[in-house]
Amino acid sequence: GESVGLHLPTLSVQEGDNSIINCAYSNSASDYFIWYKQESGKGPQFIIDIRSNMDKRQGQRVTVLLNKTVKHLSLQIAATQPGDSAVYFCAESPNQAGTALIFGKGTTLSVSS
Amino acid sequence: DGGITQSPKYLFRKEGQNVTLSCEQNLNHDAMYWYRQDPGQGLRLIYYSQIVNDFQKGDIAEGYSVSREKKESFPLTVTSAQKNPTAFYLCASKGFLRTDTQYFGPGTRLTVL
Repeated sequence: GESVGLHLPTLSVQEGDNSIINCAYSNSASDYFIWYKQESGKGPQFIIDIRSNMDKRQGQRVTVLLNKTVKHLSLQIAATQPGDSAVYFCAESPNQAGTALIFGKGTTLSVSS
Repeated sequence: DGGITQSPKYLFRKEGQNVTLSCEQNLNHDAMYWYRQDPGQGLRLIYYSQIVNDFQKGDIAEGYSVSREKKESFPLTVTSAQKNPTAFYLCASKGFLRTDTQYFGPGTRLTVL
């Protein structure tokens, strides 16, 4: 079964708002986490990643926060734009040789103008 | 799409026919992956290969087969044993290190009539 899940299947925001997409993971052996964005009919695109020795990592308009105590991951998107509308997946990588990424179910972000 | 090509983009087959989906990468990546995505769902791992001439079953390997004769190619065959093959199929690849970024291809939408 999946060990990565997202708290909300959908999130609707207004253009210009900040968006927060949450993800919970349950595999204590996971030490590397990734966020992907998938637009309709396309393959997922890498957004940002974080290793377990960090609590926060910032990119361009995106920030990922990692709380290892409660096994929680979040993606914050600043000044959300209509082009940010997509499905967002978190993925975890257990620190075990030969394992593949484990993906959550995804959150659909809808941005209205 | 990071140098990963999948062809064709849309594929139609009659029930009972085997079909092979192509995945090629020019990123010199060691590992390659196949995922299945159903409407509104997350990514489910079918097969993966970490090195040429070797591959492992994922979570939903039944009814599928793969080969990895060349580093750049990882074709997926959907056999007639797959009970519900209509789906969006995604190929991905990454480098040797577990924390190397995993990139996805554009996907193939298979419809079985």
